[in-house]
Amino acid sequence: GQSLEQPSEVTAVEGAIVQINCTYQTSGFYGLSWYQQHDGGAPTFLSYNALDGLEETGRFSSFLSRSDSYGYLLLQELQMKDSASYFCAGSNTGNQFYFGTGTSLTVIP
Amino acid sequence: EAQVTQNPRYLITVTGKKLTVTCSQNMNHEYMSWYRQDPGLGLRQIYYSMNVEVTDKGDVPEGYKVSRKEKRNFPLILESPSPNQTSLYFCASSLQGMETQYFGPGTRLLVL
Repeated sequence: GQSLEQPSEVTAVEGAIVQINCTYQTSGFYGLSWYQQHDGGAPTFLSYNALDGLEETGRFSSFLSRSDSYGYLLLQELQMKDSASYFCAGSNTGNQFYFGTGTSLTVIP
Repeated sequence: EAQVTQNPRYLITVTGKKLTVTCSQNMNHEYMSWYRQDPGLGLRQIYYSMNVEVTDKGDVPEGYKVSRKEKRNFPLILESPSPNQTSLYFCASSLQGMETQYFGPGTRLLVL
């Protein structure tokens, strides 16, 4: 089957760095995306990896290791507004998407 | 402004009463998709479409229908809604499918 596992909750201090991990089992795996969602609003795209390695976009970076079926999202210089839910999503060669159950990030002062 | 729109945003209905949730995008994207989001389950893909007249089942298609007669529109149809279809629904689009998806604002559906 298809599954993506990520921690349900993470708490971090404002200004710090936090890493949210995602392990996946997706047949025909193509790439891994990350989305942010505030309080049931529309998910917004953060980052995408189709190849192994690190992708950096401002304060957000994402990493993928295909051999380990593993990826992570790295958030630097945490701000209070980063408190939200973060989802990893795997896509396959059939153009289907499978989302993890989400990680609720709480940033504390 | 580039966007994905959904209507209605909120809907309360009764079991068995057919309903349609519309989705429209103005970015000339080929790929469109519907998801439902339930507490503790993340987003699950219902149906997706790679282009006009091309639709495929996602992970949870039972009880839903879609159509793609025009590139910009991708309506979700519930022929006979049941209470287990009470959920938050999102429409999304992307240029060709694998990369960035742009999500609509969501439709909260309650089936009594």
